[in-house]
Amino acid sequence: GAGVSQTPSNKVTEKGKYVELRCDPISGHTALYWYRQSLGQGPEFLIYFQGTGAADDSGLPNDRFFAVRPEGSVSTLKIQRTERGDSAVYLCASSQLGGGTDTEAFFGQGTRLTVV
Amino acid sequence: SQQGEEDPQALSIQEGENATMNCSYKTSINNLQWYRQNSGRGLVHLILIRSNEREKHSGRLRVTLDTSKKSSSLLITASRAADTASYFCATPPGGSNYKLTFGKGTLLTVNP
Repeated sequence: GAGVSQTPSNKVTEKGKYVELRCDPISGHTALYWYRQSLGQGPEFLIYFQGTGAADDSGLPNDRFFAVRPEGSVSTLKIQRTERGDSAVYLCASSQLGGGTDTEAFFGQGTRLTVV
Repeated sequence: SQQGEEDPQALSIQEGENATMNCSYKTSINNLQWYRQNSGRGLVHLILIRSNEREKHSGRLRVTLDTSKKSSSLLITASRAADTASYFCATPPGGSNYKLTFGKGTLLTVNP
């Protein structure tokens, strides 16, 4: 596609429910990143994929958060037993190369998750 | 934890004026990047400056980097109403080129 696509753009869920957020990176980009942005803050790193594998998941806040990228393209961020504190904009980015090079990351428009 | 800190937190200027935003960071870096964000959604990459560069230009943007002071500045010349957005600096901490760490941003308002 022309850019990074994230779906849905908005998601409202009840506390305790399970949600999945999808990211379609730019075709050919091997690196994919998830960030979370709370109101009034800058984005915070969650996880980085190089191909199919999670090269760095140190930003995931706890074991309720999990992300996959089974075929090295589309990625899904999964949140179990959602809490109100999970409410934020979840941003996905991709880049042509990752780790070891100076490379520009292209961001999607984000998914605004609201847990009520 | 936040690596970069932008200053000021908010800036309001008239169209045609220049806008200067500053960023300070804590650890050694390989490069520093500036991003723009409209309406709290997707970020747009503006410019990347490497640690061995002191100044870089792109259109109406001018970025400086002072590694001795661990600081960078973004200058937008001849501002337009469309420049109204939040501006973030982001650094991959030393040894990493992917784990961008963002500051809280500067909210720039350009009044027509």
